[in-house]
Amino acid sequence: KAGVTQTPRYLIKTRGQQVTLSCSPISGHRSVSWYQQTPGQGLQFLFEYFSETQRNKGNFPGRFSGRQFSNSRSEMNVSTLELGDSALYLCASSGQGNYGYTFGSGTRLTVV
Amino acid sequence: KNEVEQSPQNLTAQEGEFITINCSYSVGISALHWLQQHPGGGIVSLFMLSSGKKKHGRLIATINIQEKHSSLHITASHPRDSAVYICAVRGRETSGSRLTFGEGTQLTVNP
Repeated sequence: KAGVTQTPRYLIKTRGQQVTLSCSPISGHRSVSWYQQTPGQGLQFLFEYFSETQRNKGNFPGRFSGRQFSNSRSEMNVSTLELGDSALYLCASSGQGNYGYTFGSGTRLTVV
Repeated sequence: KNEVEQSPQNLTAQEGEFITINCSYSVGISALHWLQQHPGGGIVSLFMLSSGKKKHGRLIATINIQEKHSSLHITASHPRDSAVYICAVRGRETSGSRLTFGEGTQLTVNP
């Protein structure tokens, strides 16, 4: 079966702009979680969506938001980009009752 | 102190050596994950543990819930094992799929 697909793979944006990243989970998986990875902070949890509802949220400012569609695809949005938002953004999908995760390849965002 | 601590941070081994990476955590957990990340960023889930021991090929993962400690072992290491290995936990009080991560162990296996 197809894996978790993240688009785009690479993105360069300017400070102050906003960006939308996409994640398509494995077919049948209803949970999508998002993570930010930076050299200084490592991997950090952003938020999780399940059946179109945000179920968990990490400690990130309100500039970071997300949503999930009825087909379980998820998007995350970062508004008013800052240099510190440069990172690898990973999403993972999980099936109901199964705490195993399948990760996407990530979107590498560079803010200049 | 981080909720999840890994050691060592960096590890260099010769091909064929037996490797151990350790993970200690300070919260009650419902599951612990070992992840592998290659250059380029993609993460592969190696193991999910809630008790005992699991084996997959040359990889073995163990967990001691009472001591809040897990180990990842690689037998007969190979250069293709070179990657960052990350320990992550799902807290017992957490609903959904929130993970807390260790800082990772950079493993380099030389031929």
